[in-house]
Amino acid sequence: AQSVTQPDIHITVSEGASLELRCNYSYGATPYLFWYVQSPGQGLQLLLKYFSGDTLVQGIKGFEAEFKRSQSSFNLRKPSVHWSDAAEYFCAVASRSWGKLQFGAGTQVVVTP
Amino acid sequence: NAGVMQNPRHLVRRRGQEARLRCSPMKGHSHVYWYRQLPEEGLKFMVYLQKENIIDESGMPKERFSAEFPKEGPSILRIQQVVRGDSAAYFCASSPRDRGEETQYFGPGTRLLVL
Repeated sequence: AQSVTQPDIHITVSEGASLELRCNYSYGATPYLFWYVQSPGQGLQLLLKYFSGDTLVQGIKGFEAEFKRSQSSFNLRKPSVHWSDAAEYFCAVASRSWGKLQFGAGTQVVVTP
Repeated sequence: NAGVMQNPRHLVRRRGQEARLRCSPMKGHSHVYWYRQLPEEGLKFMVYLQKENIIDESGMPKERFSAEFPKEGPSILRIQQVVRGDSAAYFCASSPRDRGEETQYFGPGTRLLVL
C-alpha cells in the first residue's frame, strides 16, 4: 500500500540551531514530492517540491530538501531556525499519473529561545 | 494574482443543518481538490474536480457529502445533515494541472464547528 511516513511527531529546536525533518514514502514509482508548512489556524503554504532533476531542492524561507531514491526519503532541512519557523510541517506525495496528495501525519516544530 | 479563496473562514452549524463551503481557485487554475483535516487524523483527500466534472471522489464519505465545480462560479462542498463528527478544517487547493504543473496551492480553509 502507498504510504507517507513522518517519524517525528514533535521536534523541539533552539533558535539558531539546525533542523531536519524526516519523510519516507512507499510508492510504486517515484512520485511528486512536496513539503508544506501550516501555522496555527492557517492554510498550507508550499515550501518546496521535487518533480525530477537535481535531487537537492531549494525552497522558500531558507529551507531545502534532498530526494534520495535509494532510501525513498525526502528530508527537509534548514541550517539555522528562526522563532517564526515554529509550525507544523507536512510531507506530501502525489502519483505522477493522478493528482491527489497523500500527506504524512505532520511534524510539530517548537522553537525555543 | 490572488490566491485560493475560501469562504466562510469559520462556520458554525447545529446538528442536522446543511453546510456549504465555497472555494474560488487561483486565476487560470481549472483543477480543484478538497481535503479535510480532522483532529488526530491529519489531512485527507476528499475529492478532485475539474470544471463540471468530478474526476476522483474516492475520499468522499458515501452519504451526506457532495461537491461540484460549475462552469461559472466557485467550487462548492456541501454537507447535508451535519453531525458533530463533521467538525474539522476543510481545505481547498487548486492547480493548473492541465498545463503540466502539478503543484497544488491551498486556501486558508474553512473551520466547521457542529454544535
